[in-house]
Amino acid sequence: DAGVTQSPTHLIKTRGQQVTLRCSPISGHKSVSWYQQVLGQGPQFIFQYYEKEERGRGNFPDRFSARQFPNYSSELNVNALLLGDSALYLCASSLAPNSGALNEKLFFGSGTQLSVL
Amino acid sequence: KQEVTQIPAALSVPEGENLVLNCSFTDSAIYNLQWFRQDPGKGLTSLLLIQSSQREQTSGRLNASLDKSSGRSTLYIAASQPGDSATYLCAVPSSNQAGTALIFGKGTTLSVSS
Repeated sequence: DAGVTQSPTHLIKTRGQQVTLRCSPISGHKSVSWYQQVLGQGPQFIFQYYEKEERGRGNFPDRFSARQFPNYSSELNVNALLLGDSALYLCASSLAPNSGALNEKLFFGSGTQLSVL
Repeated sequence: KQEVTQIPAALSVPEGENLVLNCSFTDSAIYNLQWFRQDPGKGLTSLLLIQSSQREQTSGRLNASLDKSSGRSTLYIAASQPGDSATYLCAVPSSNQAGTALIFGKGTTLSVSS
């Protein structure tokens, strides 16, 4: 079975532009989470969607938005890009909506490397 | 607010050495702790998940322990190999968020020389 797939793998944008990143979860997984990883730091939680509903939102500005489709794939949108948005954006999927209570592992994709010039 | 710290930030060892990576967290009310591996520019691979009721988990040459009361976890790698070279991250579920929000440390970058 395919793992979590993300597209594109690399992206170069200029300040002020908008970007859309895509993620397909592991077959059967209904939960998708998005993380931002700046070089030298651990990943930071951005959003979680489960069954097409937002279940959690991290401390990110409103320029960041996401949605989940009926087939459980997801898109992350970032508007008005800033230089500081340059990072590796990671998508993770899981069966259950709550990794804490149900001891559910997260499975990560290879990420989209976004460079903002 | 949960904070996760990993020491050392970087570690270089010769092939064959046994080594220990450390992870500490400030809020001991966690359900589990996960250790991940990340190769440069790549995604994360889950290595081990320790439930709060467990004290350790083993997978091959890897052994992870958890001491909730002291807010610490260790990842022990036996007989290190050059292929173990990567960044190792630990993570716990956020105490402020339900769902799948994990709080990560900054990681320990391991280099194993042949």
